[in-house]
Amino acid sequence: GAVVSQHPSRVICKSGTSVKIECRSLDFQATTMFWYRQFPKQSLMLMATSNEGSKATYEQGVEKDKFLINHASLTLSTLTVTSAHPEDSSFYICSAPQGARGGYTFGSGTRLTVV
Amino acid sequence: GENVEQHPSTLSVQEGDSAVIKCTYSDSASNYFPWYKQELGKGPQLIIDIRSNVGEKKDQRIAVTLNKTAKHFSLHITETQPEDSAVYFCAASANQAGTALIFGKGTTLSVSS
Repeated sequence: GAVVSQHPSRVICKSGTSVKIECRSLDFQATTMFWYRQFPKQSLMLMATSNEGSKATYEQGVEKDKFLINHASLTLSTLTVTSAHPEDSSFYICSAPQGARGGYTFGSGTRLTVV
Repeated sequence: GENVEQHPSTLSVQEGDSAVIKCTYSDSASNYFPWYKQELGKGPQLIIDIRSNVGEKKDQRIAVTLNKTAKHFSLHITETQPEDSAVYFCAASANQAGTALIFGKGTTLSVSS
């Protein structure tokens, strides 16, 4: 079946630094990738939608200059958390729709801790 | 946009009992309704899904029902086991390429033996 590989699974960074999270579609072309954020004991909240070769669409309240999304190829979408702060500590997870097959494939998630 | 409400937020049952979690959605264009199980520290795992052309779907101890007129769908788990304890999320989407899944707030299910 379709697989989305997400890395890293865990990352600890210092406040003020940037962190890049990658999601790769291994056996299909992901023209679209959805990025979610999940705070402890909360639901998955859609942050943004990336489309290959075009600018990402951000949900209301999500800072586009802070959460940089790049979708330069059909198999790779990246989320960069810039100038990270402790309040950015969260679980970030990507998801790609399966088109005609229906459904969505999720990455395994990235636990970001900003200290 | 789509809004998904999920109830209850917590549910405690005895092993062997049934558990029911209910969700409502707002966007009549939504036609895909999956349910996910999430264990601590892990990503969500799809356990069952249903599309709008079907009213009910069953997979062993798990079943999902959909009422498109009322815009609600439910997850039914029978003969619960301790390993069913987890957080369950419902979601909805129009299942088109540019449409994301919108999640409910989740239900923490605890099954005691």
